Amino acid sequence: AQSVAQPEDQVNVAEGNPLTVKCTYSVSGNPYLFWYVQYPNRGLQFLLKYITGDNLVKGSYGFEAEFNKSQTSFHLKKPSALVSDSALYFCAVRDIFYNQGGKLIFGQGTELSVKP
Amino acid sequence: EAQVTQNPRYLITVTGKKLTVTCSQNMNHEYMSWYRQDPGLGLRQIYYSMNVEVTDKGDVPEGYKVSRKEKRNFPLILESPSPNQTSLYFCASSSGGRNTGELFFGEGSRLTVL
Repeated sequence: AQSVAQPEDQVNVAEGNPLTVKCTYSVSGNPYLFWYVQYPNRGLQFLLKYITGDNLVKGSYGFEAEFNKSQTSFHLKKPSALVSDSALYFCAVRDIFYNQGGKLIFGQGTELSVKP
Repeated sequence: EAQVTQNPRYLITVTGKKLTVTCSQNMNHEYMSWYRQDPGLGLRQIYYSMNVEVTDKGDVPEGYKVSRKEKRNFPLILESPSPNQTSLYFCASSSGGRNTGELFFGEGSRLTVL
């Protein structure tokens, strides 16, 4: 069965400090992995994805994520957090062998709060 | 501007009164999907469509219907809404293939069923 876990409901960091939002996954085949961000009263926006290749993926707004197959993790990172990064972040996985039309499985979401 | 448009954005209704949430995308995307977002549960897929006239159930389809008569539109129908369908609903689309998963989301429709 496919699943995604975001172990932290909330992450608090000070502006200028590095941030990490954690994600682990479980799939039967090879994963496609995604991060989305949701600002208040808005829809989700695509940040970045991993399909194959380099384990370090760079995305929008200075975010990056590291794919670790042995730890089945795909943590989102940013070297220097901004107050404007405060939002709800979702990790998602697609099992490329799962035949239900490329459905994404989303984690529960992690609320990131960046304080000045 | 590329976008997914949902209407209404906010709706309060009563149990049993049929309603439709419309969704339209202007990107010529083949794949469209409906999700509901509930606190602590993340997003759960209700229905999806791979192309015109092709729809299939997601994880939580009970109480919902969809149709895909045109490529751009994918309405969500609640024939007899119940309070447990109070939620935030998102429509999403993508171009499919290797890009499936890069979803474009609408702004959301917050539905309250009394």
